[in-house]
Amino acid sequence: EPEVTQTPSHQVTQMGQEVILRCVPISNHLYFYWYRQILGQKVEFLVSFYNNEISEKSEIFDDQFSVERPDGSNFTLKIRSTKLEDSAMYFCASRETSTGEKLFFGSGTQLSVL
Amino acid sequence: DQQVKQNSPSLSVQEGRISILNCDYTNSMFDYFLWYKKYPAEGPTFLISISSIKDKNEDGRFTVFLNKSAKHLSLHIVPSQPGDSAVYFCAASLYNFNKFYFGSGTKLNVKP
Repeated sequence: EPEVTQTPSHQVTQMGQEVILRCVPISNHLYFYWYRQILGQKVEFLVSFYNNEISEKSEIFDDQFSVERPDGSNFTLKIRSTKLEDSAMYFCASRETSTGEKLFFGSGTQLSVL
Repeated sequence: DQQVKQNSPSLSVQEGRISILNCDYTNSMFDYFLWYKKYPAEGPTFLISISSIKDKNEDGRFTVFLNKSAKHLSLHIVPSQPGDSAVYFCAASLYNFNKFYFGSGTKLNVKP
């Protein structure tokens, strides 16, 4: 069964460093999302992306965050200067068509900012 | 931004009995509602969804009920199995699917 793949599964970084979280969405999906979950809290929306443009972003997704689809398969989330409060599990998700409501999630990248 | 709420952080049910998980929302413009199941250290897994034009959708042991006038949906699991033990999230989306709003989750424990 096709699945969303995220790498790395764990990332440890120092505060102020840049990190890039990588995702390979399901191949025929066109809509991409990043969510995050701080330990014990709700799943929070960060950004949605379609046709090489951001569709919507949350207040969390400030100038320190960016997304990119550098080629036909990868979808990345970059955090330019990490803060302690960026420590969370980051989930990539994808969706098939403009009428499909099912969102498929990857297994996540646990980001720890020290 | 608490547009989707799950007021019960946990639920414990005996194996074979019914599990009922509840979810409330505030935005009457939501078009789709979804339930996700999440195990520790894994991503949420899609379980079942319902369109706002329906009031019930069934898939095997899972049934979702939507009460638009009360802005309430529920997930029924019958019969419950120990493997159902997980955190369940409800989610909602507007027509454009640009953003899915998630509740805070309910941890279900099905006891053998």
